[in-house]
Amino acid sequence: GAGVSQSPRYKVAKRGQDVALRCDPISGHVSLFWYQQALGQGPEFLTYFQNEAQLDKSGLPSDRFFAERPEGSVSTLKIQRTQQEDSAVYLCASSLSGRNNEQFFGPGTRLTVL
Amino acid sequence: AQRVTQPEKLLSVFKGAPVELKCNYSYSGSPELFWYVQYSRQRLQLLLRHISRESIKGFTADLNKGETSFHLKKPFAQEEDSAMYYCALRGNTDKLIFGTGTRLQVFP
Repeated sequence: GAGVSQSPRYKVAKRGQDVALRCDPISGHVSLFWYQQALGQGPEFLTYFQNEAQLDKSGLPSDRFFAERPEGSVSTLKIQRTQQEDSAVYLCASSLSGRNNEQFFGPGTRLTVL
Repeated sequence: AQRVTQPEKLLSVFKGAPVELKCNYSYSGSPELFWYVQYSRQRLQLLLRHISRESIKGFTADLNKGETSFHLKKPFAQEEDSAMYYCALRGNTDKLIFGTGTRLQVFP
C-alpha cells in the first residue's frame, strides 16, 4: 500500500495569509504526528493524535497553529496569519498504536512565507 | 530536559573507510534511541533502533548509558551511504526528539 502522503508538497504564502496542510496517514495507523523542520535543523515535534484525540499539542509554537483529525484518519495542520519564521518543512508521520511501533514519515510540505 | 546532540554537521570520508556518526543524549530515564536516514530526494526513514540490536546496511549502534551516547558505526563506507542522518530519542511519551543531523558524504 501507499505510504504517508502530504499535500501540497510546496506552498508559498504571503505574510498574514492562512494556510492548511494535509496529511493522509497509512491506512489503519492509529497514531499521527506533525513535526516542523526548519532549514538546517532536525524535525521538531508539534502535535500528536491517537485516532481523533489530540493527546499532545505541547510543541505548537503559538496559538496561530491548529491541528485536527476529526475522523481519526486524515489530518490538517492550519497556520493562521503566517509569519516568515513559519517557513519550514512540515512533516507528518503515522504509526500503528503502541509505543513500540515505527513512525513512517511523509514527504513533507515545504512552506515558504514571503 | 530531553536533548539529542549531533556535534558534526558534515562528515566526509572515502569509500571503504570506517564511519562513526556521533550522537549524545540527555534524558533522565531509560530512553529509546533511533537512527533515521534521509537519502537525496527521499523521505525520512528509520535505519535502526537500539532495542532491535541489529545491523542494517552494515550499520550498527550501541547504546552506552554511562556516556549517554548512541554512535552510528560502519566499518567500510559505501558511496550509497551518502545521506543525512538523524539521531532521535523517545522518552516516556510517543514523540521523537531529533538531533540536528549529520550529512555523510562518501567519496569514490
